[in-house]
Amino acid sequence: GAVVSQHPSWVICKSGTSVKIECRSLDFQATTMFWYRQFPKQSLMLMATSNEGSKATYEQGVEKDKFLINHASLTLSTLTVTSAHPEDSSFYICSAGNRGSSGANVLTFGAGSRLTVL
Amino acid sequence: QKEVEQNSGPLSVPEGAIASLNCTYSDRGSQSFFWYRQYSGKSPELIMSIYSNGDKEDGRFTAQLNKASQYVSLLIRDSQPSDSATYLCAVRRKAGNMLTFGGGTRLMVKP
Repeated sequence: GAVVSQHPSWVICKSGTSVKIECRSLDFQATTMFWYRQFPKQSLMLMATSNEGSKATYEQGVEKDKFLINHASLTLSTLTVTSAHPEDSSFYICSAGNRGSSGANVLTFGAGSRLTVL
Repeated sequence: QKEVEQNSGPLSVPEGAIASLNCTYSDRGSQSFFWYRQYSGKSPELIMSIYSNGDKEDGRFTAQLNKASQYVSLLIRDSQPSDSATYLCAVRRKAGNMLTFGGGTRLMVKP
């Protein structure tokens, strides 16, 4: 089945530093990847849609200058949290779509990256 | 009104019982519906997808869709303690691959 690899799984950083999270589709090409954020005991909130070769589409309220998304190839999208602050501490999850066995588009999630900003 | 709504729970059922999870959505044009299971600290994993009205069965899981009433449900038969998790309902809009998630229902299966 489709596999999406996300790295790192855990990251702790000091306030003001930048953190990069990678999302790779291992056995399929993904022209579109999605970045979600999940705070404790809350549901997943879509942050942005990452499009290969073009600018990402950000959801309302998400600062594009703070959360930089690069989708340079069909198998890799990166999310960089710039000048991270404690309120950015969260669980960041990427996902990519591919055709399932039924032919329909299904989303596969990466394992997630837990960011803690001190 | 939230786009996708779920009762947050927790829903507590005894081992071996049927767990019934419900979800309603507001966008009548939604075409694809998904149930994900999320264990604490982990990312969601797909359990079922359903696209047309009626029931869809896969092992102990049955998804039910009623587009006229705009609800989708998940039944878990012979519930096991390992089924204890948060179940997320997700709906896909007509265009693109983006999913909108409900808040999730926490299920607790007691031995």
